[in-house]
Amino acid sequence: NAGVTQTPKFQVLKTGQSMTLQCAQDMNHEYMSWYRQDPGMGLRLIHYSVGAGITDQGEVPNGYNVSRSTTEDFPLRLLSAAPSQTSVYFCASSRTVNTEAFFGQGTRLTVV
Amino acid sequence: GEDVEQSPFLSVREGDSSVINCTYTDSSSTYLYWYKQEPGAGLQLLTYIFSNMDMKQDQRLTVLLNKKDKHLSLRIADTQTGDSAIYFCAPFNKFYFGSGTKLNVKP
Repeated sequence: NAGVTQTPKFQVLKTGQSMTLQCAQDMNHEYMSWYRQDPGMGLRLIHYSVGAGITDQGEVPNGYNVSRSTTEDFPLRLLSAAPSQTSVYFCASSRTVNTEAFFGQGTRLTVV
Repeated sequence: GEDVEQSPFLSVREGDSSVINCTYTDSSSTYLYWYKQEPGAGLQLLTYIFSNMDMKQDQRLTVLLNKKDKHLSLRIADTQTGDSAIYFCAPFNKFYFGSGTKLNVKP
């Protein structure tokens, strides 16, 4: 049982480049979310989804896009990378909004 | 909006008890959670409490809930070096977590 899988684990981008962080879960969870964690700080919610075809913004959505075409996948797109987006990104899924959240291992992104 | 506060750091000696506190502004959750994040990893569920309970004990972990004061705490008895991690509370029925408390256990 893979749980929540994030790829890649590490990525270095140049300012202005775009890329997609992948997140997949095999638990048939309806709820999925993306967070960023900066050094010494907690998790900040970027975007979330309550089911296929439904997404919404979190606390810090600027510079990021998401889509949810299937229950399993919830990719996060950086449109034009900036150094301020250097962070560790976590994807999570849960059966409902108030049940246990399962997290991926994170993607460490550096923008130079 | 939602607001969750945790002290950023806690340092204890091995064998002592650790108490990590969390205060929040509002909650309509059925469950209130504590998550643990070890270095280089994502968060993992540590324990939880039903909103209609005041206390839950699970081996070395004790969760206390004071709904009137909107205060949640996690007590770790006989703290070990392996307990060194960041602990997050999640008192809401949404996607928000506290800012985390970094527990440092000194041998």
